[in-house]
Amino acid sequence: GAVVSQHPSWVICKSGTSVKIECRSLDFQATTMFWYRQFPKQSLMLMATSNEGSKATYEQGVEKDKFLINHASLTLSTLTVTSAHPEDSSFYICSARNPRLAGREQFFGPGTRLTVL
Amino acid sequence: AQKVTQAQTEISVVEKEDVTLDCVYETRDTTYYLFWYKQPPSGELVFLIRRNSFDEQNEISGRYSWNFQKSTSSFNFTITASQVVDSAVYFCALSVSGGYNKLIFGAGTRLAVHP
Repeated sequence: GAVVSQHPSWVICKSGTSVKIECRSLDFQATTMFWYRQFPKQSLMLMATSNEGSKATYEQGVEKDKFLINHASLTLSTLTVTSAHPEDSSFYICSARNPRLAGREQFFGPGTRLTVL
Repeated sequence: AQKVTQAQTEISVVEKEDVTLDCVYETRDTTYYLFWYKQPPSGELVFLIRRNSFDEQNEISGRYSWNFQKSTSSFNFTITASQVVDSAVYFCALSVSGGYNKLIFGAGTRLAVHP
């Protein structure tokens, strides 16, 4: 199996608040999860790689204090956008790899659309 | 450096036409994987196919077919007899060793199939 869920599917918040997005692998255990953001009509940009039980690895230019990632279990990773501002409005997508599959494909969640007012 | 290029930004076809989406990749790794994903208007990426660098065999799945050519570093995707439901953004991606095998995405090709 390879089902990944995300919650919430959309969120609207006021500037300055923090927003938490959950990513769950439903039918497999994922030691590695990935967080992406996607602006309209653009490709996916990898923000960070999340590993169970260890600190996330952030891509260059991504503020780790702004985007907090926690991967506390083999089926759950969370992304918290702290003190969100309008420029953080985007489509956030998580993915997970099933370590039982040899092919490295990532399975994606349905995404979370964040709008910061 | 690793890179994926999808030169076609947007393609518009009429239903039942065949359409080919191009993908060119760059890597110095000898072991790598290539993928195609579909992103319909709903936003969720759907995995279509995976190919590893040691398997150049082309593949056909229904109306979909893929042509992998290492000599030209290309992994093209053809939809035969396109349908309106094929309208989506299609991403080609590359995974190399290291870095937790993260995916490097191309810019995507937006395909519009008109009735």
